[in-house]
Amino acid sequence: GAVVSQHPSRVICKSGTSVKIECRSLDFQATTMFWYRQFPKQSLMLMATSNEGSKATYEQGVEKDKFLINHASLTLSTLTVTSAHPEDSSFYICSARGIPGNTIYFGEGSWLTVV
Amino acid sequence: AQKITQTQPGMFVQEKEAVTLDCTYDTSDPSYGLFWYKQPSSGEMIFLIYQGSYDQQNATEGRYSLNFQKARKSANLVISASQLGDSAMYFCAMREGRDAGGTSYGKLTFGQGTILTVHP
Repeated sequence: GAVVSQHPSRVICKSGTSVKIECRSLDFQATTMFWYRQFPKQSLMLMATSNEGSKATYEQGVEKDKFLINHASLTLSTLTVTSAHPEDSSFYICSARGIPGNTIYFGEGSWLTVV
Repeated sequence: AQKITQTQPGMFVQEKEAVTLDCTYDTSDPSYGLFWYKQPSSGEMIFLIYQGSYDQQNATEGRYSLNFQKARKSANLVISASQLGDSAMYFCAMREGRDAGGTSYGKLTFGQGTILTVHP
């Protein structure tokens, strides 16, 4: 079964609104989670590293005020797309490092469509 | 500079035959890990196989094997006895650095992906 759960799997929102995506580690504690973005038929691009209890580390070119990441507990990280626009429509997927460290689990991903 | 390169945008294979998906990587870190993931149209990332830079033997997982050639910096995925359900996008990815509890450990860099189509 899934060890990292991501919700919602699909979401449609209106332009200008905000949408929150959750990533939960189900049976292990994940002090670090990662958020990726993927456009159709393209690769996964790392957006940010989410650290429990501290600020996220964003990759170059990713707007931290637009993509708010909160990692309030050892099992939950959230990505909020603020003031969404159609160009934010994409597939967003999270991952978490398991034990041993060579196991990296991905959530099921979230398809965001901004209309 | 591209750290992970998959040069085959698309590959076709006949059912029950073997297929090799290419992956080359670039790193100066002596400690790294290489992953292969399968991504069907649903979007989920399915872990297939892992190879550590210090592993002496090539990794195998069922029908999947990794042809690890360290000197050439290549980590090709071999799928034996292809099945129709193997049709999907395949990604090669690399993790750099040794597990020292650093928060960046677990960050993956992905290749461009290869779309594999298995014909009946």
